[in-house]
Amino acid sequence: QKEVEQDPGPLSVPEGAIVSLNCTYSNSAFQYFMWYRQYSRKGPELLMYTYSSGNKEDGRFTAQVDKSSKYISLFIRDSQPSDSATYLCAILKYSGAGSYQLTFGKGTKLSVIP
Amino acid sequence: GAVVSQHPSWVICKSGTSVKIECRSLDFQATTMFWYRQFPKQSLMLMATSNEGSKATYEQGVEKDKFLINHASLTLSTLTVTSAHPEDSSFYICSASTRSSYEQYFGPGTRLTVT
Repeated sequence: QKEVEQDPGPLSVPEGAIVSLNCTYSNSAFQYFMWYRQYSRKGPELLMYTYSSGNKEDGRFTAQVDKSSKYISLFIRDSQPSDSATYLCAILKYSGAGSYQLTFGKGTKLSVIP
Repeated sequence: GAVVSQHPSWVICKSGTSVKIECRSLDFQATTMFWYRQFPKQSLMLMATSNEGSKATYEQGVEKDKFLINHASLTLSTLTVTSAHPEDSSFYICSASTRSSYEQYFGPGTRLTVT
């Protein structure tokens, strides 16, 4: 079983729609959950991270973690064409010697249609 | 702040040749640098982790003699793909972090095409 599973989509929505992106993870010991946005042929950029269960909001973006079901979600309200990108979930693990490692999901490609 | 650059952004090379990719942290000291590979429509797969002044730690299945990583300074790491083959064609992305920080800052990536 992979550590992080993510439906690669693609997902196409009309402008203004609410977008829901989801991942599942396998190890209940994981504590930090990250969402990255990656534009075509660019490196990923960190959108949000959460620690423990619950919601975290930043503008139009809300990250949610449900540790009981090992489910993480990213919601985008009032989606814009500029939100069109690939969204990757990731888990963060401590790998020793003061270093942390990221394990990424496959990424979901989102297109927001004007 | 926290800018990471990569050079070149795109390289084409012939099968059997070697290619070097540079990763630089422009405005901070990167004690740890990571190298990832991303195939089309696939996720980023960690290849190796390197700490400044130490040998890189490679992930299972990554050939250390084929993918040579050097992290000689706090602002520069290099990945050399030796004797490249068409199956090595991929998008290579580096990231950098500071000591005991969880956050990784990603470079823009290098597209390698081996003909």
